[in-house]
Amino acid sequence: GAGVSQSPSNKVTEKGKDVELRCDPISGHTALYWYRQRLGQGLEFLIYFQGNSAPDKSGLPSDRFSAERTGESVSTLTIQRTQQEDSAVYLCASSSLQAAPRGQFFGPGTRLTVL
Amino acid sequence: QKEVEQDPGPLSVPEGAIVSLNCTYSNSAFQYFMWYRQYSRKGPELLMYTYSSGNKEDGRFTAQVDKSSKYISLFIRDSQPSDSATYLCASTGYSSASKIIFGSGTRLSIRP
Repeated sequence: GAGVSQSPSNKVTEKGKDVELRCDPISGHTALYWYRQRLGQGLEFLIYFQGNSAPDKSGLPSDRFSAERTGESVSTLTIQRTQQEDSAVYLCASSSLQAAPRGQFFGPGTRLTVL
Repeated sequence: QKEVEQDPGPLSVPEGAIVSLNCTYSNSAFQYFMWYRQYSRKGPELLMYTYSSGNKEDGRFTAQVDKSSKYISLFIRDSQPSDSATYLCASTGYSSASKIIFGSGTRLSIRP
């Protein structure tokens, strides 16, 4: 596709359940980022994948959060044992490091609601 | 202290006014400075970027960076109601391993 896609667009889950969020980056983009955005707040960095390098996981808020990326394609963000404070929009972005300044292209986000 | 600080607003101005949006940053290693626009319930979109200090103009938008004071600005001339959105500044280092750090965003409303 032409842009970054994310699925599902909305997810409502019960506290304690696991959820998996998916991101399809723009083809050829080697860098992929996950962010969390709470209502009315800025973007909170979660994790950064760059090619075959070890991902930068420094933003993951707890060990309930994990993410994987298959090569330079799809990424999944998994939240285990969800809590109400996990409710937010989860945004994925990709960028090409060959194109300065590594401006990111964002997907529309997954709106997660934990009841 | 957050690495990138931004006044959350909200900021409301009449149509046609010049808008000034500002951020400060603390990391001297930052070399790239970006501005994103985010409409309600959408992902952010890159508006402009600058490398190191200086100005960059694109239509009604001008981005300005002063590295000596660690100050980032975005000016919007002849503001339009369609400019109403949240504007996020972001900064990163030169290395591809550098994370991109975002400000919290300023909510802007242009009154017709």
